[in-house]
Amino acid sequence: DADVTQTPRNRITKTGKRIMLECSQTKGHDRMYWYRQDPGLGLRLIYYSFDVKDINKGEISDGYSVSRQAQAKFSLSLESAIPNQTALYFCATSDPKNRDNYGYTFGSGTRLTVV
Amino acid sequence: AQSVSQHNHHVILSEAASLELGCNYSYGGTVNLFWYVQYPGQHLQLLLKYFSGDPLVKGIKGFEAEFIKSKFSFNLRKPSVQWSDTAEYFCAVNAGSSASKIIFGSGTRLSIRP
Repeated sequence: DADVTQTPRNRITKTGKRIMLECSQTKGHDRMYWYRQDPGLGLRLIYYSFDVKDINKGEISDGYSVSRQAQAKFSLSLESAIPNQTALYFCATSDPKNRDNYGYTFGSGTRLTVV
Repeated sequence: AQSVSQHNHHVILSEAASLELGCNYSYGGTVNLFWYVQYPGQHLQLLLKYFSGDPLVKGIKGFEAEFIKSKFSFNLRKPSVQWSDTAEYFCAVNAGSSASKIIFGSGTRLSIRP
């Protein structure tokens, strides 16, 4: 089983629909992140969470919301999807206490298309 | 604010050629530096990282990177590339002593001609 699991892997949705992307992890990391990847723009941070009660906006949080239901689960919602939210979305976790595992562990990504 | 610049958007090489991908960051204090690789259709994987000590860092698959503090650079190198190195490469930086959040560069797509 993957350490960081994202569902769904692919999704096509219509403009104006609400959609939730889910992320769960088995690494026991406190910190979780949501990024979107667009061609030529790299990965941009949407939201991040340092623990269940700590949620922070990233550089492009408008149009998105998140929920940290448990240490292992971090969901990203698009309240009313629009076409320019079409992108590849990645969830990641990190454990800053473990320098041998510094950096992120990424999920496999969710490819979202808004039509 | 931290930022990361990767000036090469697309690099095309022949097999066995040497590779150097540029990465510059903007932050004056202590930084942690990373290179991630994303093979076609896959998620990002950590290639190598620098926290402190020897500025020449060895990573997986024969890759290495050199941290030059005076130039704010962390260039990725490989002496002889293979077709299987075809991927997108991302430089990333995290400032300070804790991995709060990592800022990524825009990526460099590497294409290897067989």
